[in-house]
Amino acid sequence: DQQVKQNSPSLSVQEGRISILNCDYTNSMFDYFLWYKKYPAEGPTFLISISSIKDKNEDGRFTVFLNKSAKHLSLHIVPSQPGDSAVYFCAANGGATNKLIFGTGTLLAVQP
Amino acid sequence: DTEVTQTPKHLVMGMTNKKSLKCEQHMGHRAMYWYKQKAKKPPELMFVYSYEKLSINESVPSRFSPECPNSSLLNLHLHALQPEDSALYLCASSQMNGETQYFGPGTRLLVL
Repeated sequence: DQQVKQNSPSLSVQEGRISILNCDYTNSMFDYFLWYKKYPAEGPTFLISISSIKDKNEDGRFTVFLNKSAKHLSLHIVPSQPGDSAVYFCAANGGATNKLIFGTGTLLAVQP
Repeated sequence: DTEVTQTPKHLVMGMTNKKSLKCEQHMGHRAMYWYKQKAKKPPELMFVYSYEKLSINESVPSRFSPECPNSSLLNLHLHALQPEDSALYLCASSQMNGETQYFGPGTRLLVL
């Protein structure tokens, strides 16, 4: 049972435009959400997080939005840059086990 | 500083070999993790250490043996691995279990 889902395996965006990556979850006990960026053969790099008591968190070009009623979060990257091209994983924490549950990832390609 | 280091970067081993992966962090984090990641898949949790004690073992085969010698170090001892164990092995740490995890660059393991 996939508790965290990223339904878009890939996304292509023009440089300078907005990239929107989406993530859905099923477990209402999750209380902390994170986004990681990953290049091939490297470890995931932490980007930004949000607690369930907030609906928005911003850090530079990255903004995460949380809609608890819809069990949905999204990552906005503005403006997108070619160096942003990578796989993006959302992850959720909390629940009974306190483990980090990853989504399946979205491959973002930013075209120059 | 959010650096987690892992050695070696690459490892090739035969099915009868014994080898060890090493992970180190100097952020004062009290939780450390081992993950396995196959291509195009999210990281899969293997083990969690909290305050140098094993707190989660995700039913990992006994040919993988974790060790936490002190609060900064985490080892993964490998013995009699199978070719299907070839993957990227990631170490992560967090201030406490359940908080933001920071990942190392990983060890790319190939079992022949």
